[in-house]
Amino acid sequence: GDSVTQMEGPVTLSEEAFLTINCTYTATGYPSLFWYVQYPGEGLQLLLKATKADDKGSNKGFEATYRKETTSFHLEKGSVQVSDSAVYFCALEVNAGNNRKLIWGLGTSLAVNP
Amino acid sequence: DAGVIQSPRHEVTEMGQEVTLRCKPISGHNSLFWYRQTMMRGLELLIYFNNNVPIDDSGMPEDRFSAKMPNASFSTLKIQPSEPRDSAVYFCASSLKGWRTEAFFGQGTRLTVV
Repeated sequence: GDSVTQMEGPVTLSEEAFLTINCTYTATGYPSLFWYVQYPGEGLQLLLKATKADDKGSNKGFEATYRKETTSFHLEKGSVQVSDSAVYFCALEVNAGNNRKLIWGLGTSLAVNP
Repeated sequence: DAGVIQSPRHEVTEMGQEVTLRCKPISGHNSLFWYRQTMMRGLELLIYFNNNVPIDDSGMPEDRFSAKMPNASFSTLKIQPSEPRDSAVYFCASSLKGWRTEAFFGQGTRLTVV
């Protein structure tokens, strides 16, 4: 069935380090892919998305490229800040009959130290 | 718009009691989702509605859980009777119906059943 696999956390980095959080998926058809972020004590919010192969989503210095050949959507940022400390979720949107269905990864916790 | 509004933010109840969680989606959104988040299982979709109609409730763990959406601006998730293993953060999210649209999350209700 359709699924999303994220790298396990926690990930701990120093400020200004390079970040990669891996996400791979299994799906039939042509899903859309999302990264959501959850800051402490808050709900999830959309960080970026890509709706077709080779699309690159970007926001707040984060980027992810939809790679159909490797079924991946890895999240990257060139220089992390303490304020990026949060939990990051990769999600896959698939067709469920006439309705959408979001399938979520388990989340990857990121802690950035000053 | 104030975003998705959930109440209460925190709920502590005794085992066996009835618990009702409330959600007001963003005005104009016609899809509503209830999620449960725990450390062990991550983010789980419990049920979602389109145009106030339940579409997929396969994630509802058992008959003790029920959800209603009497109108476009209000939904409830009820647990009766509650058990300690129901302790989790429950999120409500809403979106426009259709593909590739962003889901907006509330801040969640942290439920503790003692």
